[in-house]
Amino acid sequence: QVQLVQSGAAVKKPGASVKVSCKAPGSTFTKYGISWVRQAPGQGLEWIGWISASNDNTNYAQRFQGRVIITKDTSSNTAFMEMRSLRSDDTAVYFCAVDYDWFDPWGQGTLVTVSS
Amino acid sequence: DIQMTQSPSSLSASVGDRVTITCRASRGIKNYVAWYQQKPGQVPRLLINDASTLRSGVPSRFSGSGYGTEFTLTISSLQPEDIATYFCHNYNNAPHTFGQGTKLEIK
Repeated sequence: QVQLVQSGAAVKKPGASVKVSCKAPGSTFTKYGISWVRQAPGQGLEWIGWISASNDNTNYAQRFQGRVIITKDTSSNTAFMEMRSLRSDDTAVYFCAVDYDWFDPWGQGTLVTVSS
Repeated sequence: DIQMTQSPSSLSASVGDRVTITCRASRGIKNYVAWYQQKPGQVPRLLINDASTLRSGVPSRFSGSGYGTEFTLTISSLQPEDIATYFCHNYNNAPHTFGQGTKLEIK
């Protein structure tokens, strides 16, 4: 089973940016798309966006358009999610997941805390 | 965007009970629904995709059904290890959307 390994927790000030990485073994990113999902403390799941397997096409939830960039580096088998202009309500655990339409497996999650 | 209305938001049941969780989509989404189980502090685990396809390794007491706008996740005989929050997931079209979650507790 593919395992996705994400970067560690981050603490950021309001207005800053954060870049979360998601590494998978082998040629995952040439075969499967990757979606990013977040979960605020005690809350539900929110889809952020997706990057294609076959090229660099991306698709974002409208509320994140212009504030999030999802990229991938196939040479290192790593996907990235960068969020800018962070606010306190961006405090959440951010997950990457292999996107077959459904999501499986998921990375272990990265806690991003936005606090002054 | 398609809204997924999940009910109930919480549920208390006894071991051995049959438990049903429902998700209603704001418009038809064929069978493009998945269900996930999330235990506290853990990553969501895929249980079912395409509304009714049980994933390998998931106990057979879990089942899913539905098409169009109404979907159900059923646990035929609740076990203590099923205590978790369950989410439905619409992947008919972007944006993906999720139900609000059902927190399942043992009575």
